[in-house]
Amino acid sequence: DAGVIQSPRHEVTEMGQEVTLRCKPISGHDYLFWYRQTMMRGLELLIYFNNNVPIDDSGMPEDRFSAKMPNASFSTLKIQPSEPRDSAVYFCASSRGGLDYGYTFGSGTRLTVV
Amino acid sequence: DAKTTQPPSMDCAEGRAANLPCNHSTISGNEYVYWYRQIHSQGPQYIIHGLKNNETNEMASLIITEDRKSSTLILPHATLRDTAVYYCIVRALLTQGGSEKLVFGKGMKLTVNP
Repeated sequence: DAGVIQSPRHEVTEMGQEVTLRCKPISGHDYLFWYRQTMMRGLELLIYFNNNVPIDDSGMPEDRFSAKMPNASFSTLKIQPSEPRDSAVYFCASSRGGLDYGYTFGSGTRLTVV
Repeated sequence: DAKTTQPPSMDCAEGRAANLPCNHSTISGNEYVYWYRQIHSQGPQYIIHGLKNNETNEMASLIITEDRKSSTLILPHATLRDTAVYYCIVRALLTQGGSEKLVFGKGMKLTVNP
């Protein structure tokens, strides 16, 4: 099992540009989560999906952020337009759901907006 | 709102047992205690979870007090690679009013010294 795969690992972009982060969850996992981590705010849950359907997006900071899960094996997090304050490490995680299963996190995408 | 309280940091000597405390005095009867850790620059990693009985796996042991208001994560023989931020999280079953969301607090930085 390759685990949760995120791409790219690093992204540097200019303010105002569109950024797309990608995630491939573990096969068979019904839940997919997007987190953002900064020094100031720690790990924040942005949105999560169950069976490809967004369940809770209350953590999405504003309309510039959007997430999709077109199928069970792929999800994207898009920021348009990007701003310097969006600079953070973005993690994707997946799980089978239920308390007996822990989350598996990807290695993260380090986003720098200049 | 933080449901758990952990000291901000702790040191441990390599080869010794590391006992990581967590207070969760407002824990509900249906909430489990989860532990994750995050090694620098990596995604968080699931360690262990439990409801009221003590639990052990290949990574650690979890001791939950009888009143369930606190718990201790034990790394029996700490190594330098155990240096990380450790998160204690409580979560209830989705079917009992809980959520699949995992909310991370600030965690506790464990430093294992040679």
